[in-house]
Amino acid sequence: DVQLVESGGGLVQPGGSLRLSCAASGFTISAYWLHWVRQGPGKGLVWVSRINSDGSRTGYADSVKGRFTISRDNAKNTLYLQLNSLRAEDTAVYYCTRASSRIAENDYWGQGTLVTVSS
Amino acid sequence: QSVLTQPPSVSGAPGQRVTISCTGSSSNIGAGYDVHWYYQLPGTAPKLLIYGTSNRPSGVPDRFSGSKAGTSASLAITGLQAEDEADYYCQSYDTSFGGTTVFGPGTKVTVL
Repeated sequence: DVQLVESGGGLVQPGGSLRLSCAASGFTISAYWLHWVRQGPGKGLVWVSRINSDGSRTGYADSVKGRFTISRDNAKNTLYLQLNSLRAEDTAVYYCTRASSRIAENDYWGQGTLVTVSS
Repeated sequence: QSVLTQPPSVSGAPGQRVTISCTGSSSNIGAGYDVHWYYQLPGTAPKLLIYGTSNRPSGVPDRFSGSKAGTSASLAITGLQAEDEADYYCQSYDTSFGGTTVFGPGTKVTVL
């Protein structure tokens, strides 16, 4: 079965950093684009970042550009998101998802990991 | 403000038909990019409902259907059931600002 399992969330102070991980199983991530999507408390889905299958191309939402960095380790079948200079408005559940291309649907989602930015 | 717009809520009685609109622009839906739809129950991850504007993944009942015309897309639910009460999100690709995935703000479907 296809599974995506996020980890690394937690409580962090404003200005702090976190590294999220997403471990994939049941498929080989090297064939897929991978995305991070977040959802603030009581809010809708917001796309955060994407990375192509070999890691050579990335994209970011304007709200996180310059602060977040997406990366992948195909050998470990794992996706990462480095979150720096965190702000209160970054508080959200962060989901990793997979897609077959840059514009394709996100067919599988992880269960999410909660990031809380607060002093 | 979302690039895609959806009504905040729609409601219907069991057995009725409801539709959810997703309005975009010439830089996303109007540019020919597919629309995908997801549903989300409280406290759970989103699940794919419709992909490529009108295709259903395996296991999704044919009560759910999608369509697109111009700069808008729609999700229709026929024979509304209690378990359809959830949040629904549309998604597309937008060529503004270097190309980004965009979601609508979501629509809460309430079964009366």
